[in-house]
Amino acid sequence: SYVLTQPPSVSVAPGQTARVTCGGDNIENKDVHWYQQKPGQAPVLVVFDDSDRPSGIPERFSGSSSGNTATLTISRVEAGDEADYYCQVWDTIGGLRYVFGTGTKVTVL
Amino acid sequence: EVQLLESGGGLIQPGGSLRLSCTASAITFSNYAAGWVRQAPEKGLEWVSTISGSGRSTYYADSVRGRFTISRDNSRNTLNLQMNSLRLEDTAVYYCATIVGATEYFDYWGQGTLVTVSS
Repeated sequence: SYVLTQPPSVSVAPGQTARVTCGGDNIENKDVHWYQQKPGQAPVLVVFDDSDRPSGIPERFSGSSSGNTATLTISRVEAGDEADYYCQVWDTIGGLRYVFGTGTKVTVL
Repeated sequence: EVQLLESGGGLIQPGGSLRLSCTASAITFSNYAAGWVRQAPEKGLEWVSTISGSGRSTYYADSVRGRFTISRDNSRNTLNLQMNSLRLEDTAVYYCATIVGATEYFDYWGQGTLVTVSS
């Protein structure tokens, strides 16, 4: 089955740039989506289709994908960006399934 | 504003059954596939099941196939998850979500309902 690997944690100072990676076999050939989850809350979609943003999501959130790695970039990080972030793809090999990454805790120092 | 509201969670013994429901508002529910995603305590997100907008197609994670059944009633804007033969490892917050087709991502999410399987 398809596996998505994320670093457990990323730390960043306010105003700096945070990059959260999501590793998967030839992930550039899949559409990657990203969710933000704050404690006690439901996930929120922040990036879809590798690099598109839903309405209401700040331009500071951007995504990219190349080779075996997709990346969520948060520019000019704010305290309110502290959360868990998950990548997700739809895998059709060997059966239809939705695969989530292992999750990354972004801490704002 | 689109809202999804789950209900039906609670404490259940191993081997028992529980039925979760999710009611959607401010959305033409039948236009969307929908599904359930769960999160065990202090763990990550895990996809559970998906159903097409018409209800004709259903998909399950290996961990629940044969025990859980997803269904929907578009006339009532409702999504359901019948959970049988519950196990300790099914303990989680269960979220319902609508799914955007073609690239298959979860756009609207409910607030979640907690299912605790314990003796």
